[in-house]
Amino acid sequence: EVQLVESGGGLVEPGGSLRLSCAASGFTFSSYNMVWVRQAPGKGLEWVSSITTSSDYIHYADSVQGRFTISRDNAKNSLYLQMYSLRAEDTAVYYCARSPSSGSYYSVYWGQGTLVTVSS
Amino acid sequence: DIQMTQSPSSLSASIGDRVTITCRASQGILNYLAWYQQKPGKVPNLLIYAASTLQSGVPSRFSGSGSGTDFTLTISSLQPEDVATYYCQKYNRAPFTFGGGTKVEIK
Repeated sequence: EVQLVESGGGLVEPGGSLRLSCAASGFTFSSYNMVWVRQAPGKGLEWVSSITTSSDYIHYADSVQGRFTISRDNAKNSLYLQMYSLRAEDTAVYYCARSPSSGSYYSVYWGQGTLVTVSS
Repeated sequence: DIQMTQSPSSLSASIGDRVTITCRASQGILNYLAWYQQKPGKVPNLLIYAASTLQSGVPSRFSGSGSGTDFTLTISSLQPEDVATYYCQKYNRAPFTFGGGTKVEIK
């Protein structure tokens, strides 16, 4: 069974940093592109970042470019999102999601999400 | 960047009604479009990919169509369990933008 479990969310002050993790199991992690998607309270889904199987291609939404860094450790079956210079508008549930293959970027499996709250 | 516009933003329909949601891309994306359903308080669930391919396990009352810039998600006979917000997403190239969502309620 595919499982994605996010962790690392919490309350952080504006300007602060946070590192999210996503532990994957039930599939060959190194064979799939992975993404982070977020959802602000009461709002829609926002794609944040994507990373290919070997980290060759990485993309970011304009809203987080230069502040967030996506990475993965295929040996540890883990996906990460390092977030710097956090702003109030970064407050959201952050979902880790898996693509259907190494050649696509839509999301077949989703974690339960981890809440990040940026507030003083 | 390509913008994804969904309409309507919300709708109310009766049980058994045919429901249609539209997603328009500001530029052509071939058929690189996915549809998701998000029930209240739940994680998004993939319904359709490649514009018209039904994800395994999704009821056949859901269907997708379109190519290029105009896409449609249709629920052929609305059921109570279909109350949710529906999102389209383009995935031809980054940014992999979502539409703003369509909230479906029962009348």
